[in-house]
Amino acid sequence: NAGVTQTPKFQVLKTGQSMTLQCAQDMNHNSMYWYRQDPGMGLRLIYYSASEGTTDKGEVPNGYNVSRLNKREFSLRLESAAPSQTSVYFCASSETDAQAFGPGTRLTVT
Amino acid sequence: GENVEQHPSTLSVQEGDSAVIKCTYSDSASNYFPWYKQELGKRPQLIIDIRSNVGEKKDQRIAVTLNKTAKHFSLHITETQPEDSAVYFCAASLGDYKLSFGAGTTVTVRA
Repeated sequence: NAGVTQTPKFQVLKTGQSMTLQCAQDMNHNSMYWYRQDPGMGLRLIYYSASEGTTDKGEVPNGYNVSRLNKREFSLRLESAAPSQTSVYFCASSETDAQAFGPGTRLTVT
Repeated sequence: GENVEQHPSTLSVQEGDSAVIKCTYSDSASNYFPWYKQELGKRPQLIIDIRSNVGEKKDQRIAVTLNKTAKHFSLHITETQPEDSAVYFCAASLGDYKLSFGAGTTVTVRA
């Protein structure tokens, strides 16, 4: 079991560029989540998907879109990157309450 | 929405001493309280969790206590070791299996 995987591990973008962060899980979990982690602010929920075919906004959704492609995969898209989106992005999944996290993507927007 | 406050933000302890981290939450509907440990450059890892129908839970050197009336819960690490040095996050459930996280506590264990 690979658990939760994310690609890429690192990315540098210029302001205005777009990109998609990929996340997959092989634990047959129904729920998946995207967080961003900034120094001193913990983990903040961007979007989540309670089940295949549904997505909902979290605490900080502005500037992001998501797609729940199937039960395994949940992608996060930045349409026009901004320096304020420089952060570490974590994907997570869960069957009930306990969430398992992926290794993270470190994104820098210049 | 749920607001989780975590204290202290940094904690330095001598190896072998105990460490205590405290969290408070605002939503009385929260019923699940996990703790995550994050080593530098790594992903958060679940180390212990507690549900609202339980007051205390132990797993070897770590324990969590919950006071639902006061809306606070704490992580206790006994006999600290250098490998306990990490950032620790508390969280509280929001419904739909969502979590609201505290800002984190950086624990340093001095040899």
